[in-house]
Amino acid sequence: ILNVEQSPQSLHVQEGDSTNFTCSFPSSNFYALHWYRWETAKSPEALFVMTLNGDEKKKGRISATLNTKEGYSYLYIKGSQPEDSATYLCAFSESSGDKLTFGTGTRLAVRP
Amino acid sequence: DVKVTQSSRYLVKRTGEKVFLECVQDMDHENMFWYRQDPGLGLRLIYFSYDVKMKEKGDIPEGYSVSREKKERFSLILESASTNQTSMYLCASSPTWGETQYFGPGTRLLVL
Repeated sequence: ILNVEQSPQSLHVQEGDSTNFTCSFPSSNFYALHWYRWETAKSPEALFVMTLNGDEKKKGRISATLNTKEGYSYLYIKGSQPEDSATYLCAFSESSGDKLTFGTGTRLAVRP
Repeated sequence: DVKVTQSSRYLVKRTGEKVFLECVQDMDHENMFWYRQDPGLGLRLIYFSYDVKMKEKGDIPEGYSVSREKKERFSLILESASTNQTSMYLCASSPTWGETQYFGPGTRLLVL
């Protein structure tokens, strides 16, 4: 079973703060790295899928980078808002297929 | 918009009961997945299917079976529910290998 690690486990920030989380994954047999946002009582929602080393993706105030050689991805949130409060999951897939291995997530709480 | 629906949001069953969790997607996706989510463990893959009547074991298939008789529907079956199957169950679908998975809202199952 592949090991995908996320840090920190949880984070409390003030509204307006910028923050970032880390996802570490095996650097061999890389196919894709996914980021999801999971708000309480809702479905996990896809943020990004990244496949190439050096990829950078952006969606509003949220952006992500990918380093496949060293096996990590960063998710950044600029100017956090209370509506950003959620658990952020990363998931890794190998070249062999579509199975995703998920990390345990980073739980973000943004105080107004 | 892709829609993945699950038959129940909350379910309470007794030990030994047969339990059916239903999942339906409306976007003609090839692949469907069942996960369970437990605190501190992240999403773990139970079973997946890449075509009608096809199924593959995930990382934790013991105690579960699945059925995919139609492309849009993927059922998870607990033949004889046990207390250690108390969990949040999430269904997902994706168009093809390596693409974003779209999740349902989850079913929180309590086995007494």
